[in-house]
Amino acid sequence: AQSVAQPEDQVNVAEGNPLTVKCTYSVSGNPYLFWYVQYPNRGLQFLLKYITGDNLVKGSYGFEAEFNKSQTSFHLKKPSALVSDSALYFCAVRHNILTGGGNKLTFGTGTQLKVEL
Amino acid sequence: EAGVTQFPSHSVIEKGQTVTLRCDPISGHDNLYWYRRVMGKEIKFLLHFVKESKQDESGMPNNRFLAERTGGTYSTLKVQPAELEDSGVYFCASSQDRRLRGTEAFFGQGTRLTVV
Repeated sequence: AQSVAQPEDQVNVAEGNPLTVKCTYSVSGNPYLFWYVQYPNRGLQFLLKYITGDNLVKGSYGFEAEFNKSQTSFHLKKPSALVSDSALYFCAVRHNILTGGGNKLTFGTGTQLKVEL
Repeated sequence: EAGVTQFPSHSVIEKGQTVTLRCDPISGHDNLYWYRRVMGKEIKFLLHFVKESKQDESGMPNNRFLAERTGGTYSTLKVQPAELEDSGVYFCASSQDRRLRGTEAFFGQGTRLTVV
Protein backbone atom coordinates (compact mmCIF):
# COMPACT_ATOMS: atom_id res chain seq x y z
CA ALA A 1 0.00 0.00 0.00
CA GLN A 2 1.17 3.50 -0.69
CA SER A 3 0.97 6.38 1.79
CA VAL A 4 1.98 10.01 2.18
CA ALA A 5 2.72 11.94 5.34
CA GLN A 6 2.67 15.69 5.71
CA PRO A 7 3.79 16.15 9.31
CA GLU A 8 2.87 19.81 9.62
CA ASP A 9 -0.74 20.97 9.64
CA GLN A 10 0.39 24.58 9.26
CA VAL A 11 3.56 26.39 8.30
CA ASN A 12 4.01 30.08 9.01
CA VAL A 13 6.68 32.12 7.26
CA ALA A 14 7.45 35.79 6.76
CA GLU A 15 7.28 37.21 3.26
CA GLY A 16 10.68 37.14 1.62
CA ASN A 17 11.91 34.24 3.70
CA PRO A 18 12.46 30.76 2.28
CA LEU A 19 9.74 28.20 2.85
CA THR A 20 9.68 24.43 3.12
CA VAL A 21 6.62 22.21 3.22
CA LYS A 22 7.52 18.65 4.19
CA CYS A 23 6.35 15.42 2.62
CA THR A 24 7.43 11.83 3.08
CA TYR A 25 6.05 8.85 1.23
CA SER A 26 5.88 5.08 1.28
CA VAL A 27 5.43 3.05 -1.90
CA SER A 28 6.71 -0.19 -3.34
CA GLY A 29 9.25 0.46 -6.01
CA ASN A 30 9.92 3.86 -7.48
CA PRO A 31 7.31 6.57 -7.02
CA TYR A 32 5.76 9.26 -9.11
CA LEU A 33 5.40 12.28 -6.79
CA PHE A 34 3.22 15.35 -7.14
CA TRP A 35 2.48 18.60 -5.37
CA TYR A 36 -0.89 20.31 -5.68
CA VAL A 37 -2.06 23.62 -4.23
CA GLN A 38 -5.56 24.72 -3.29
CA TYR A 39 -6.23 28.43 -3.02
CA PRO A 40 -9.35 29.55 -1.12
CA ASN A 41 -12.55 28.68 -2.99
CA ARG A 42 -10.58 27.13 -5.81
CA GLY A 43 -9.86 23.60 -6.99
CA LEU A 44 -6.59 21.73 -6.74
CA GLN A 45 -3.93 23.09 -9.05
CA PHE A 46 -0.96 21.07 -10.19
CA LEU A 47 2.37 22.57 -9.09
CA LEU A 48 5.07 20.10 -10.04
CA LYS A 49 5.98 16.44 -10.30
CA TYR A 50 8.90 14.06 -10.04
CA ILE A 51 9.00 11.20 -12.50
CA THR A 52 12.64 10.40 -13.05
CA GLY A 53 15.96 12.13 -13.61
CA ASP A 54 17.14 15.22 -11.75
CA ASN A 55 16.18 15.08 -8.09
CA LEU A 56 15.39 18.80 -8.03
CA VAL A 57 12.27 19.60 -9.98
CA LYS A 58 10.95 23.06 -10.72
CA GLY A 59 7.32 23.96 -11.00
CA SER A 60 4.85 26.80 -11.17
CA TYR A 61 5.04 30.09 -9.27
CA GLY A 62 8.73 29.65 -8.41
CA PHE A 63 8.23 26.48 -6.41
CA GLU A 64 10.62 23.55 -6.50
CA ALA A 65 10.84 20.19 -4.78
CA GLU A 66 13.68 17.86 -3.99
CA PHE A 67 13.29 14.11 -4.31
CA ASN A 68 15.36 12.21 -1.75
CA LYS A 69 15.12 8.48 -2.26
CA SER A 70 17.10 7.47 0.83
CA GLN A 71 14.88 9.58 3.07
CA THR A 72 11.73 8.89 1.03
CA SER A 73 10.98 12.58 1.03
CA PHE A 74 9.74 15.13 -1.48
CA HIS A 75 9.80 18.49 0.30
CA LEU A 76 8.36 21.54 -1.41
CA LYS A 77 10.50 24.66 -1.33
CA LYS A 78 10.55 28.25 -2.44
CA PRO A 79 13.50 30.63 -1.95
CA SER A 80 11.39 33.70 -1.20
CA ALA A 81 7.80 33.41 -0.02
CA LEU A 82 5.00 35.75 -1.09
CA VAL A 83 1.80 36.56 0.76
CA SER A 84 -0.04 35.25 -2.31
CA ASP A 85 1.51 31.81 -1.71
CA SER A 86 -0.78 31.37 1.30
CA ALA A 87 -2.84 28.30 0.49
CA LEU A 88 -3.33 24.61 1.26
CA TYR A 89 -0.65 22.33 -0.17
CA PHE A 90 -1.04 18.63 -0.85
CA CYS A 91 1.63 16.07 -1.59
CA ALA A 92 0.61 12.95 -3.53
CA VAL A 93 2.19 9.72 -4.75
CA ARG A 94 1.34 7.29 -7.51
CA HIS A 95 2.77 3.85 -7.93
CA ASN A 96 4.86 3.70 -11.10
CA ILE A 97 4.33 0.07 -11.91
CA LEU A 98 1.34 -0.35 -14.20
CA THR A 99 0.10 -3.49 -12.52
CA GLY A 100 0.61 -2.36 -8.95
CA GLY A 101 -1.52 -0.01 -6.92
CA GLY A 102 -3.72 1.13 -9.76
CA ASN A 103 -3.58 4.55 -11.26
CA LYS A 104 -4.91 6.46 -8.28
CA LEU A 105 -3.15 9.20 -6.38
CA THR A 106 -2.64 8.86 -2.65
CA PHE A 107 -2.63 12.22 -0.91
CA GLY A 108 -1.31 13.55 2.35
CA THR A 109 -3.53 15.44 4.78
CA GLY A 110 -2.42 18.82 3.49
CA THR A 111 -0.36 21.65 4.96
CA GLN A 112 -1.76 25.13 5.36
CA LEU A 113 0.89 27.68 4.42
CA LYS A 114 0.50 31.16 5.84
CA VAL A 115 2.83 33.87 4.61
CA GLU A 116 2.71 37.09 6.57
CA LEU A 117 4.10 40.55 5.94
CA GLU B 1 -9.29 25.17 -23.15
CA ALA B 2 -11.90 24.56 -20.46
CA GLY B 3 -10.74 22.81 -17.33
CA VAL B 4 -12.55 20.23 -15.25
CA THR B 5 -15.89 21.63 -14.16
CA GLN B 6 -18.08 20.40 -11.34
CA PHE B 7 -21.70 21.12 -10.47
CA PRO B 8 -22.96 22.25 -8.06
CA SER B 9 -20.24 24.07 -6.18
CA HIS B 10 -22.16 23.70 -2.93
CA SER B 11 -25.02 21.48 -1.82
CA VAL B 12 -26.81 21.32 1.51
CA ILE B 13 -29.23 18.44 1.94
CA GLU B 14 -30.98 16.68 4.77
CA LYS B 15 -30.02 13.24 5.95
CA GLY B 16 -31.86 10.65 3.91
CA GLN B 17 -32.16 12.76 0.78
CA THR B 18 -30.48 12.09 -2.54
CA VAL B 19 -27.82 14.25 -4.15
CA THR B 20 -26.22 13.97 -7.57
CA LEU B 21 -22.88 15.56 -8.33
CA ARG B 22 -21.72 16.14 -11.87
CA CYS B 23 -18.27 16.36 -13.38
CA ASP B 24 -17.29 17.44 -16.89
CA PRO B 25 -13.70 16.41 -17.59
CA ILE B 26 -11.31 18.09 -19.96
CA SER B 27 -12.26 17.24 -23.52
CA GLY B 28 -10.34 14.24 -24.81
CA HIS B 29 -9.36 12.92 -21.39
CA ASP B 30 -10.31 9.27 -21.13
CA ASN B 31 -9.48 9.02 -17.44
CA LEU B 32 -11.88 10.44 -14.89
CA TYR B 33 -11.42 10.16 -11.14
CA TRP B 34 -13.53 10.98 -8.12
CA TYR B 35 -11.91 11.88 -4.79
CA ARG B 36 -13.27 13.08 -1.47
CA ARG B 37 -11.90 15.14 1.38
CA VAL B 38 -13.79 14.66 4.62
CA MET B 39 -13.45 16.95 7.65
CA GLY B 40 -10.02 18.34 6.81
CA LYS B 41 -8.42 14.94 6.39
CA GLU B 42 -6.53 13.60 3.42
CA ILE B 43 -8.04 13.56 -0.04
CA LYS B 44 -9.15 9.99 -0.62
CA PHE B 45 -9.64 8.15 -3.89
CA LEU B 46 -13.15 6.95 -4.67
CA LEU B 47 -13.04 5.55 -8.19
CA HIS B 48 -11.52 5.71 -11.64
CA PHE B 49 -13.20 5.55 -15.04
CA VAL B 50 -11.45 4.83 -18.29
CA LYS B 51 -13.92 6.12 -20.83
CA GLU B 52 -17.25 4.65 -19.70
CA SER B 53 -15.78 1.69 -17.81
CA LYS B 54 -15.05 1.57 -14.11
CA GLN B 55 -11.38 0.72 -13.87
CA ASP B 56 -11.06 0.86 -10.10
CA GLU B 57 -13.83 1.47 -7.60
CA SER B 58 -11.97 0.25 -4.55
CA GLY B 59 -12.42 3.56 -2.75
CA MET B 60 -16.20 3.73 -2.88
CA PRO B 61 -17.30 3.71 0.76
CA ASN B 62 -20.53 1.72 0.41
CA ASN B 63 -23.44 0.96 -1.88
CA ARG B 64 -25.11 4.28 -1.17
CA PHE B 65 -22.68 5.75 -3.68
CA LEU B 66 -23.24 5.21 -7.39
CA ALA B 67 -21.02 6.63 -10.10
CA GLU B 68 -21.76 6.62 -13.80
CA ARG B 69 -20.08 7.89 -16.91
CA THR B 70 -22.46 7.37 -19.79
CA GLY B 71 -20.84 7.65 -23.19
CA GLY B 72 -17.46 8.25 -21.65
CA THR B 73 -17.99 11.98 -21.33
CA TYR B 74 -19.33 13.57 -18.16
CA SER B 75 -19.76 11.65 -14.93
CA THR B 76 -22.26 11.72 -12.10
CA LEU B 77 -21.85 10.62 -8.52
CA LYS B 78 -25.09 9.93 -6.70
CA VAL B 79 -25.40 9.54 -2.96
CA GLN B 80 -28.65 7.87 -1.91
CA PRO B 81 -29.62 8.12 0.88
CA ALA B 82 -27.15 10.65 2.21
CA GLU B 83 -25.77 10.30 5.73
CA LEU B 84 -24.10 12.89 7.95
CA GLU B 85 -20.66 11.31 7.44
CA ASP B 86 -20.92 11.90 3.68
CA SER B 87 -20.29 15.60 4.22
CA GLY B 88 -17.10 16.80 2.63
CA VAL B 89 -15.62 18.15 -0.57
CA TYR B 90 -15.91 15.91 -3.61
CA PHE B 91 -13.27 16.45 -6.26
CA CYS B 92 -13.28 15.24 -9.81
CA ALA B 93 -10.12 14.96 -11.89
CA SER B 94 -9.23 13.93 -15.40
CA SER B 95 -6.08 12.92 -17.23
CA GLN B 96 -4.92 11.55 -20.53
CA ASP B 97 -3.60 8.09 -21.38
CA ARG B 98 -3.42 5.99 -18.24
CA ARG B 99 -0.35 4.20 -19.53
CA LEU B 100 1.48 7.47 -19.02
CA ARG B 101 1.49 7.12 -15.28
CA GLY B 102 3.62 10.19 -14.83
CA THR B 103 0.90 12.33 -16.33
CA GLU B 104 -0.63 14.73 -13.88
CA ALA B 105 -4.35 14.80 -13.22
CA PHE B 106 -6.28 18.05 -13.52
CA PHE B 107 -8.81 18.74 -10.80
CA GLY B 108 -12.07 20.60 -10.68
CA GLN B 109 -12.97 23.13 -8.00
CA GLY B 110 -14.87 20.54 -6.01
CA THR B 111 -18.41 20.23 -4.71
CA ARG B 112 -18.84 20.97 -1.04
CA LEU B 113 -21.55 18.66 0.26
CA THR B 114 -23.11 19.28 3.65
CA VAL B 115 -25.57 16.76 5.04
CA VAL B 116 -27.62 18.08 7.96
